[in-house]
Amino acid sequence: NAGVTQTPKFQVLKTGQSMTLQCAQDMNHEYMSWYRQDPGMGLRLIHYSVGAGITDQGEVPNGYNVSRSTTEDFPLRLLSAAPSQTSVYFCASSFTGGEGDGYTFGSGTRLTVV
Amino acid sequence: RKEVEQDPGPFNVPEGATVAFNCTYSNSASQSFFWYRQDCRKEPKLLMSVYSSGNEDGRFTAQLNRASQYISLLIRDSKLSDSATYLCVVNRGNFNKFYFGSGTKLNVKP
Repeated sequence: NAGVTQTPKFQVLKTGQSMTLQCAQDMNHEYMSWYRQDPGMGLRLIHYSVGAGITDQGEVPNGYNVSRSTTEDFPLRLLSAAPSQTSVYFCASSFTGGEGDGYTFGSGTRLTVV
Repeated sequence: RKEVEQDPGPFNVPEGATVAFNCTYSNSASQSFFWYRQDCRKEPKLLMSVYSSGNEDGRFTAQLNRASQYISLLIRDSKLSDSATYLCVVNRGNFNKFYFGSGTKLNVKP
């Protein structure tokens, strides 16, 4: 099994550009999330989904949109990139949603906004 | 106040040493607890869950103290391959309520 697959691995954007970070999982997990990781701040939740067609905001949702049309895919859209969105982005999925099994993470997308 | 606080380190220890990390959490409603390992420029990976009675997995022992709201990770007989950042994670019972510490960096030296 591939687990959680994220693309691209690296991306440089100019301020104001938009893009979509892709995330796919093949474990039939209902629960999926997007996090960003910045130095000294730990991972922070951007958006999450508890199943196809259901999404909600996390701690730092501004500037990002998500959709969940299938169980497998959970793309993250940057609407108008800003330098403050320079970060490492991780997609993650969970089978139980928090009761004991934790998360499986994708390998991350390193985004630089110039 | 951060939900989860960790000493960032780095902890520099020789091979074979025993090292312990602590992590404190601020919300007494936290229900489940984890340690993750993150190698440089890689994704976090689940190391172990932390149970109320404490639990052990080989050289790794995790403890939970609910009264004082801290979690510990003990690594015995450190290996070079243990060098990584260790993330403390707590969950308040809902999927959107995972909180990650910023990590403690461990360097194991030959």
